[in-house]
Amino acid sequence: GQQLNQSPQSMFIQEGEDVSMNCTSSSIFNTWLWYKQDPGEGPVLLIALYKAGELTSNGRLTAQFGITRKDSFLNISASIPSDVGIYFCAGRLPYNQGGKLIFGQGTELSVKP
Amino acid sequence: ETGVTQSPTHLIKTRGQQVTLRCSSQSGHNTVSWYQQALGQGPQFIFQYYREEENGRGNFPPRFSGLQFPNYSSELNVNALELDDSALYLCASSQDRTDGTTFGSGTRLTVV
Repeated sequence: GQQLNQSPQSMFIQEGEDVSMNCTSSSIFNTWLWYKQDPGEGPVLLIALYKAGELTSNGRLTAQFGITRKDSFLNISASIPSDVGIYFCAGRLPYNQGGKLIFGQGTELSVKP
Repeated sequence: ETGVTQSPTHLIKTRGQQVTLRCSSQSGHNTVSWYQQALGQGPQFIFQYYREEENGRGNFPPRFSGLQFPNYSSELNVNALELDDSALYLCASSQDRTDGTTFGSGTRLTVV
């Protein structure tokens, strides 16, 4: 079945540092999404990418949709304590393959003040 | 504009019992997707409902079933509960089967 490999699994960084995480897959996706999930809450959408090669920013967050449509990365610049949480990538399969979202295993981010 | 609301927030059931989880979609959204999230894992797609019909299903057995109502709210039913069904169940709504970008806070189901 389709799988997303998300790395790293966890990160411990100092406040102010930049962060990078990525997802790769053997499947082609039409859309890549990046979510953040806080304890006891559902995932909240951070960035959506719809075209291969697309680079999109949302404040301190930047994400790119890989040219091959099989990978994506998320960068967070100048991290702050409220960036703590679990970040998930998700790829949407083409509708002729069901159109469902496939999630990565998550990257747990800890930020030391 | 209200977001996605799920009820109940927490639930404890005994193995073999049946459970119904509920979801109200975000205003204006006609598509609801359900996901199961085990502890320490990413969400796994269960199924999607679009205009009251099932519109795609993940690798879950038939004892996982659902409904969508004319107001686009939805239910997830699980029969013959097993211990491994313990998880956070997430509902996400979207418009016209586009990305399920709005998630609810989930229902935490514990099967004992």
